[in-house]
Amino acid sequence: TQLLEQSPQFLSIQEGENLTVYCNSSSVFSSLQWYRQEPGEGPVLLVTVVTGGEVKKLKRLTFQFGDARKDSSLHITAAQPGDTGLYLCAGGTGTASKLTFGTGTRLQVTL
Amino acid sequence: NAGVTQTPKFRVLKTGQSMTLLCAQDMNHEYMYWYRQDPGMGLRLIHYSVGEGTTAKGEVPDGYNVSRLKKQNFLLGLESAAPSQTSVYFCASSRDSTYGYTFGSGTRLTVV
Repeated sequence: TQLLEQSPQFLSIQEGENLTVYCNSSSVFSSLQWYRQEPGEGPVLLVTVVTGGEVKKLKRLTFQFGDARKDSSLHITAAQPGDTGLYLCAGGTGTASKLTFGTGTRLQVTL
Repeated sequence: NAGVTQTPKFRVLKTGQSMTLLCAQDMNHEYMYWYRQDPGMGLRLIHYSVGEGTTAKGEVPDGYNVSRLKKQNFLLGLESAAPSQTSVYFCASSRDSTYGYTFGSGTRLTVV
């Protein structure tokens, strides 16, 4: 069974601070995705990375896929209250397009 | 709006009762999935389908059955509900995992 461990589990910061969330596994994935989930809603896709070492930027969010395609990080610059939510990483192996999800990082950004 | 629609949004069942959760997508996606989300456990795959008329077991299939008679619909059934099946259930669809999943808004099920 492939496992994806995220750290930290919880993060409470003030507006304007920077933060990094990590997603680690002992397995190799063909793709790695990040989702954000708000209370009472389903996860929403933020980004997909497919190449080892790949870096993608989405406004204040920077995503990186590890060189060995076993880990990933999400960095948020100058966090805003609107960034509050549960961040989930998910690894794909290509088999039936199934994804394995991490346990999530719950982020709270306060004024 | 295009996307994934789940019904119902909330349901309370008594132990031993049965029910069916409905999932419909209008994006012509081949792949559909049912996950359950529990505190501290993340999203766990129950069953999935790679196309109309196909189904396969995921990580936690026991106590659930599924059917995909039409490409746009994926049904999840509980034949005899148990308190351990209290959870939030999410349906998702995908063209390909590289393109990501589109999730429904979830069904919160409580079994008493």
